[in-house]
Amino acid sequence: DAGITQSPRHKVTETGTPVTLRCHQTENHRYMYWYRQDPGHGLRLIHYSYGVKDTDKGEVSDGYSVSRSKTEDFLLTLESATSSQTSVYFCAIMESWQGGGYTFGSGTRLTVV
Amino acid sequence: GENVEQHPSTLSVQEGDSAVIKCTYSDSASNYFPWYKQELGKRPQLIIDIRSNVGEKKDQRIAVTLNKTAKHFSLHITETQPEDSAVYFCAARSGTASKLTFGTGTRLQVTL
Repeated sequence: DAGITQSPRHKVTETGTPVTLRCHQTENHRYMYWYRQDPGHGLRLIHYSYGVKDTDKGEVSDGYSVSRSKTEDFLLTLESATSSQTSVYFCAIMESWQGGGYTFGSGTRLTVV
Repeated sequence: GENVEQHPSTLSVQEGDSAVIKCTYSDSASNYFPWYKQELGKRPQLIIDIRSNVGEKKDQRIAVTLNKTAKHFSLHITETQPEDSAVYFCAARSGTASKLTFGTGTRLQVTL
């Protein structure tokens, strides 16, 4: 499905540890996004990328960093995980045929204990 | 930045009835409005979208309307079926890098 995969699918980690989530796409899309999904909040943008090494913050970027050293990979790092970062994380790409809509990855369910 | 409000948060309809979900946005420069359907445990999937130069768009049983003056847009589902049960999200695109701002979602339940 649009060649976008996320890993891992599930992860449990301890408070204070760093965690990296990976988003991989196979179709050379320029724009990539990281969202978190929480009940009552919908999908909120964490960070996004508009090209290799070109990234910017979204509305809920505190405690997160990203890197994009290759077109196909967009990494999201929780520098020191906290319980408030327990969430479902979705990566998305903007496909040109959709004219602006996104295709989402399958998501990563992260639990911080 | 853009702010999108979505109502209602939950909606229950009987099979065969119509369902309407409404969203408002704040940024008059927003020019693209997609709707996503998310089934339990799955990823959100695009079901229909509309651009700011169009007032209405239909695709079989679903339609979207846009009122730019009032800055609101709506999703209409006719002849609802049990498989329409899901969470629906509206979104608006504004600014650079095609960022989408999402509403908080509507849980639609279609009962038999």
